[in-house]
Amino acid sequence: EAGVVQSPRYKIIEKKQPVAFWCNPISGHNTLYWYLQNLGQGPELLIRYENEEAVDDSQLPKDRFSAERLKGVDSTLKIQPAELGDSAVYLCASSRAGGAGDEQFFGPGTRLTVL
Amino acid sequence: RKEVEQDPGPFNVPEGATVAFNCTYSNSASQSFFWYRQDCRKEPKLLMSVYSSGNEDGRFTAQLNRASQYISLLIRDSKLSDSATYLCVAYGGSQGNLIFGKGTKLSVKP
Repeated sequence: EAGVVQSPRYKIIEKKQPVAFWCNPISGHNTLYWYLQNLGQGPELLIRYENEEAVDDSQLPKDRFSAERLKGVDSTLKIQPAELGDSAVYLCASSRAGGAGDEQFFGPGTRLTVL
Repeated sequence: RKEVEQDPGPFNVPEGATVAFNCTYSNSASQSFFWYRQDCRKEPKLLMSVYSSGNEDGRFTAQLNRASQYISLLIRDSKLSDSATYLCVAYGGSQGNLIFGKGTKLSVKP
């Protein structure tokens, strides 16, 4: 079974430029998560989708970040414009459902560097 | 105060050693707890769930003390391949999401 796929794996941009990350969850997984992981920290949730509905986006900085999961399968996370402090690893994860008993599987992440 | 707190380490131990990691959580409404493992520059992967009765998986033992809001992970007979960062995770709270600690870095030396 294929795991969570993310692209690109690495991205280097200059500040104020836009950037987008793509995620394809494990087939059949209804719940999709985007996390941000800074160096030396654990992942922090940005947004959680149940199918195509964003059920928790309380930690998403909505002035510059946006996300979509139009058909309830793959998802895109966008930053516009990027700031120096956005340099981090952006992880996508998926699970069959959103409960405690449903293991979350993480993708390899996109490592963003903002210059 | 962070919801999940861990000693960041690093813990440097020789092969064969027993090492214990501790973690505390602040939200008493947290329902479930886990340990994830994250290798350098890789994604986190579930190591094991943590139950009040304690649970064991080979060389790994996890325990939960709800009264003290304390979680532990014990690794016996450490292997070089155990070198990684171990993330303590709580599930629950108002939104029912995973809350990760900063992680504890373990380095097992020959």
